[in-house]
Amino acid sequence: GQNIDQPTEMTATEGAIVQINCTYQTSGFNGLFWYQQHAGEAPTFLSYNVLDGLEEKGRFSSFLSRSKGYSYLLLKELQMKDSASYLCAESKDSGAGSYQLTFGKGTKLSVIP
Amino acid sequence: DGGITQSPKYLFRKEGQNVTLSCEQNLNHDAMYWYRQDPGQGLRLIYYSQIVNDFQKGDIAEGYSVSREKKESFPLTVTSAQKNPTAFYLCASRLRGRGPEQPPYEQYFGPGTRLTVT
Repeated sequence: GQNIDQPTEMTATEGAIVQINCTYQTSGFNGLFWYQQHAGEAPTFLSYNVLDGLEEKGRFSSFLSRSKGYSYLLLKELQMKDSASYLCAESKDSGAGSYQLTFGKGTKLSVIP
Repeated sequence: DGGITQSPKYLFRKEGQNVTLSCEQNLNHDAMYWYRQDPGQGLRLIYYSQIVNDFQKGDIAEGYSVSREKKESFPLTVTSAQKNPTAFYLCASRLRGRGPEQPPYEQYFGPGTRLTVT
């Protein structure tokens, strides 16, 4: 994703909290999505933000600041199964109700005991 | 059960051969997408289709072709013109947008096909 920046790797301890940041280009912005991808598997949808603020979904929360072109995914009470890549994706309207997602390269999170 | 299927999971081909990857969904989704994923890279859009008999090129369409003859099916052909075809290919689908200036629905992904060309 040439317009999406997120850290390549992060390591955190089981039971802890981790924040994965993502910055994107603001022109044509329509929404910000977060996906989880375990190695060798398909991405699964976690959350999306279109308005500024925090969206909470159980242990996972996602925050958006449209003016700053910034989002983060917050994972609480980390579990070993949370070890995965987390993909930030920006949605843009390409016209006539057509939307495209531009993905970042993903952040590989390793949860250690 | 509703979902997106891709087959096969692993595919091996010789250089110079065309190969078609299948993608089928029974979610009644309007839009379908093809991405490729390479190690250390994000997902890159190859082609997408909003409705039957219509599709558009994504960021890396060269060396690929698609068809959308049925709502449920969006096969991708990797041609011999694709210089680096070895990759993990992911198909996705979603409902069309809720309306003008409304946020889009999320995309759902199939399990992927890992293509190796030697």
